[in-house]
Amino acid sequence: QITLKESGPTLVKPTQTLTLTCTFSGFSLSTSGVGVGWIRQPPGKALEWLTLIYWNDEKRYSPSLKSRLTITKDTSKNQVVLTMTNMDSVDTATYYCAHRVGARGSGWYSDSFDIWGQGTVVTVSS
Amino acid sequence: DIVMTQSPDFLAVSLGERATINCKSSQSILYSSNNKNYLAWYQQKPGQPPKLLFYWASTRESGVPDRFSGSGSGTDFTLTISSLQAEDVAVYYCQQYYSTVTFGPGTKVDIK
Repeated sequence: QITLKESGPTLVKPTQTLTLTCTFSGFSLSTSGVGVGWIRQPPGKALEWLTLIYWNDEKRYSPSLKSRLTITKDTSKNQVVLTMTNMDSVDTATYYCAHRVGARGSGWYSDSFDIWGQGTVVTVSS
Repeated sequence: DIVMTQSPDFLAVSLGERATINCKSSQSILYSSNNKNYLAWYQQKPGQPPKLLFYWASTRESGVPDRFSGSGSGTDFTLTISSLQAEDVAVYYCQQYYSTVTFGPGTKVDIK
């Protein structure tokens, strides 16, 4: 059974750096085809994809946020860490990490997300 | 960037009636090498994370009722609920993964 759980501060000040950790179980980020993504959702608004990291340490970032984002993995701890610099009030949102669907034996990889964490609410305010 | 749009923004349907949600991409998300459309659909209920319904536009995720169907190709896609049930009240999002990842703005479905 795959599970993911987000953790980190609930409140950050403007201009600060946010660091969130996704701790997962039921899969390994060293297994070919596996990936973990971060997606956020401001209150009452739509989902916004942030970043994805793959088993081979390839990383993809949202073009509009790329300069502010860093994603890393610690395979031994089953964790993925997201850092976002220069936080602003518009970054107030629920932040989710999610498991990538991958290939499922088809040979073609899907960057959709089948298992999600419950999300962590981050408020940016002074 | 590939921009995803959805229509309508809001949809109210009577119980047992059909609900149809449209999703359009700003460029084709059909990959010619494998003839697959790089599109997923999600359902999100209040206070919950999104739930994957379909990937590859029409591959149903395990456990998703067969009253849900996904169709379309290229730039135009449709999520259909053939007979709306009370538990289907939610916001539905499409997502492309042809070029990085982008989500649509969502369609809220409610009971008329």
